[in-house]
Order: sequence, then structure tokens, then C-alpha cells
Amino acid sequence: EVQLVESGGGLVQPGGSLRLSCVSSGFIFTNFAMSWVRQAPGKGLEWVSGISGSGDTTYYADSVKGRFTISRDNSKNTLYLQMNSLRAEDTALYYCAKDTKELWGRGTLVTVSS
Amino acid sequence: DIVMTQTPLSLSVTPGQPASISCKSSQSLLHSDGETYLYWFLQKPGQSPQLLIHEVSSRFSGVPDKFTGSGSGTDFTLKISRVEAEDVGLYYCMQGIHVPWTFGHGTKVEIK
Repeated sequence: EVQLVESGGGLVQPGGSLRLSCVSSGFIFTNFAMSWVRQAPGKGLEWVSGISGSGDTTYYADSVKGRFTISRDNSKNTLYLQMNSLRAEDTALYYCAKDTKELWGRGTLVTVSS
Repeated sequence: DIVMTQTPLSLSVTPGQPASISCKSSQSLLHSDGETYLYWFLQKPGQSPQLLIHEVSSRFSGVPDKFTGSGSGTDFTLKISRVEAEDVGLYYCMQGIHVPWTFGHGTKVEIK
């Protein structure tokens, strides 16, 4: 089955860290760039970060640059998002998505609160 | 960053009637490769976004032909020919020509 499954979300204090994972199946993972997109509660969609198929090229939204790191392990068909120095405004449902836009996971919820 | 402006913010539609959503970008979405990277998504309540339209007017596999995308350059439209209960949700346009991808604020479609 073609799917993306995110994990790693949870409750974290401001200033803390989390690492999100996104496991892919059903397609040749290394052939596709991937992205993380987030949605704060009751809000719209915000692209967070993207990475090329090889992992050589990465992109970040200004709002997370210097705090978040995207990476991938093509041998494990897995995409990651390391999130450091978390802030309340990072609270959101985090989706991973295939760069061809047609495949999204169900999301993993990150809550930053003391 | 490219700003995507969607109107209206909400629509209340009688079943069987048409609906139209406008999306304007602050820069042209026409790439040098000849493609225009404008997408439409529907996010049904409690679900992930689902791709409806890619490159302005191409319906994604399985999307019914009541959904039609059109436009060029900076002005785009999504039309639903006959709105049904299953079409309720938030509709987003998105540009994919430049990083960061940016989305419109969304249009909430509900049934009268």
C-alpha cells in the first residue's frame, strides 16, 4: 500500500526538542523529494521544510531555519525532522508529504507547552 | 515569499448548485519549463489534505470531473459544477514554483 506514516509527536516544554519520523511504503522513496507541512490548531497549512531525493539539498521556512533539521535515510525509507528550541508557536499537526503533492500522511501532533 | 490570496473565505452552497473559488498569487507561477505550478487541495474535516488539481487544470487520478481548475500567470479559479455533501471542507490553493511553498488561507465550503 502506498502510504506515509508519521510518528514522534508529543508534549514538550518550550526550549525542548523532538524528532519526527515519517516512514514511507509503496513507492521508490529515494526517487522523490519530500516535505514537512504543518497546521496549527484551527489554522491553515504552512510548509516547513523540504529535502531532495538524495538528501543533498534541504530547504527551510524562515520560521524554523536554524532550529529544525530535515534529513532522510533512504535505506530505511524514512524522513525525519529534528526540532530543537521549540516554541509555543510550533504547536501543530505535522504532515509529511511527497513533493509530487498527491501523498500525505495523517500527521503527528506536536504540542509545545509548559 | 509568494503570497497566495484566496477568496472568498467561506461559501455556503445549496446542494446541486455550483461554487467558485479564486486564488491570486503575488508573482507569476509560470516556470521556465512551461508549467504553471498551481495546486488545489481539499481538506475534509479531520483528514489530511487531498490533491484535487495539479498544474492549474489537471485533475488528480480519481478526482471527479465536477472539479475544474483554470487560470494562468497569477489568477486562478477552482469551480465545482454541482456541490454535494461530500465536497464539504476547506479548499486550499498552493504554489509550488518557489520555495517556500505557500498556501492560500483556505476557503470553507459548507452546505446550506
